[in-house]
Amino acid sequence: DAGVTQSPTHLIKTRGQHVTLRCSPISGHKSVSWYQQVLGQGPQFIFQYYEKEERGRGNFPDRFSARQFPNYSSELNVNALLLGDSALYLCASSHRGQGLKFFGPGTRLTVL
Amino acid sequence: DQQVKQNSPSLSVQEGRISILNCDYTNSMFDYFLWYKKYPAEGPTFLISISSIKDKNEDGRFTVFLNKSAKHLSLHIVPSQPGDSAVYFCAASVSNDYKLSFGAGTTVTVRA
Repeated sequence: DAGVTQSPTHLIKTRGQHVTLRCSPISGHKSVSWYQQVLGQGPQFIFQYYEKEERGRGNFPDRFSARQFPNYSSELNVNALLLGDSALYLCASSHRGQGLKFFGPGTRLTVL
Repeated sequence: DQQVKQNSPSLSVQEGRISILNCDYTNSMFDYFLWYKKYPAEGPTFLISISSIKDKNEDGRFTVFLNKSAKHLSLHIVPSQPGDSAVYFCAASVSNDYKLSFGAGTTVTVRA
């Protein structure tokens, strides 16, 4: 079975630009979470979606937004990129909102 | 606000010996704890978990100990193998919540 997939693998943007990251959960999983991992730190929770509804939001500015589609895939959007947004963005899927989370390989975003 | 702390950024251990990784938490509401392992260019993979109703959980070479009064947990790997060289993240959640709070990680290097 395919695990969590994320695209793109790597991305380079400049300050002020917009970025969209994509995630496909494990088949049968209805919940997707997004985490940001800055170098030298652990992953920080950004959003969780379950059954296409936002179920939780971490301490991130409104420049960060996300959505979940009817097929349970998800997009994370970041507007007005800052240098500090450079990080590994991880997507995790779970069968339910509180279930064990399985992580994808991440998207490495570099903001210049 | 770092609610989960891993105070040892790195650990070097000889092959065959025991690796002990430590994790402290401050939120007394946490009742479910996990360890994830991460190789470079991959997402975190689930290793072992423990509920707050237990003080020990064992899975093969991996054992997690929980000391609720001290708000401390540890992961023991016995015997350590070269393939165990990775970054290990401690994570915690409230069972009816949706997000994981991660520590900063401990890089384990197993020497031959």
